[in-house]
Amino acid sequence: SQTIHQWPATLVQPVGSPLSLECTVEGTSNPNLYWYRQAAGRGLQLLFYSVGIGQISSEVPQNLSASRPQDRQFILSSKKLLLSDSGFYLCAWSVGLNNQPQHFGDGTRLSIL
Amino acid sequence: GDSVTQMEGPVTLSEEAFLTINCTYTATGYPSLFWYVQYPGEGLQLLLKATKADDKGSNKGFEATYRKETTSFHLEKGSVQVSDSAVYFCARQACALRTSGGSYIPTFGRGTSLIVHP
Repeated sequence: SQTIHQWPATLVQPVGSPLSLECTVEGTSNPNLYWYRQAAGRGLQLLFYSVGIGQISSEVPQNLSASRPQDRQFILSSKKLLLSDSGFYLCAWSVGLNNQPQHFGDGTRLSIL
Repeated sequence: GDSVTQMEGPVTLSEEAFLTINCTYTATGYPSLFWYVQYPGEGLQLLLKATKADDKGSNKGFEATYRKETTSFHLEKGSVQVSDSAVYFCARQACALRTSGGSYIPTFGRGTSLIVHP
C-alpha cells in the first residue's frame, strides 16, 4: 500500500533562518506531489505542485521554494524565514487522474519566533 | 475562476443529531467532488467522493450526492457522534491547464468545523 511521510512534525525557527521540510511517498511511481499551507482557522493554500522530477509549478509568489530531486521526494525550502511563514504545512500526492483523491501527510507545524 | 463555497462554521450539535454541511461548486470542466475530514493536528483524509452527476458517495455513515442542477454536494449524516468532531473540507477537481501542462489541481472550500457534544 502507499504511504506518505512528512518530517519534522513540529519545528520552531527564528526569523531569518533557513528551512527544509521533506516529504517522501512509498508504494507508487511518478505521483503528482503538492505542498499546501494551512493558516490557523483557515483553508488550504496550494504553494507548489510537481508532475515529475525537476518539474515544479509555483502557485503563489513568496520566499519559499520547492524541489523534487527524486521521483517520490518533495522538499520545501526557504533561505530566510519570515514571521508570516508560520503555519501548518501539508504534503500530498495523487495519481493525477480526475476521479482520484489526494493523499495527505500528517503535516508539519512551523512556528517562527 | 473555479471555486467551492462551504457553510461557515463552527457547527455545534448534540450527539445523535442530524448533520448537514452545505457545499456548492463551480461546474466548469466536469469536476469530480470530494469531502475530506481533518482531525486535530493531522492531515486531511478522504471521507467520500462522487465523480459524475447523481452519484452518491458514502462512508462511515456520511453521504453526499452530486447535484448538477443545483451545483451542490452537501454532506449529511443521520446521527453524529462525539468522534465525528473535526474540520470537513469540500473539494472539486478537474483538469486545469497550466504552463507546465494539464494537471488535476483540486480547489478546496475553507472548511467547516464540526463540534459534537455528548
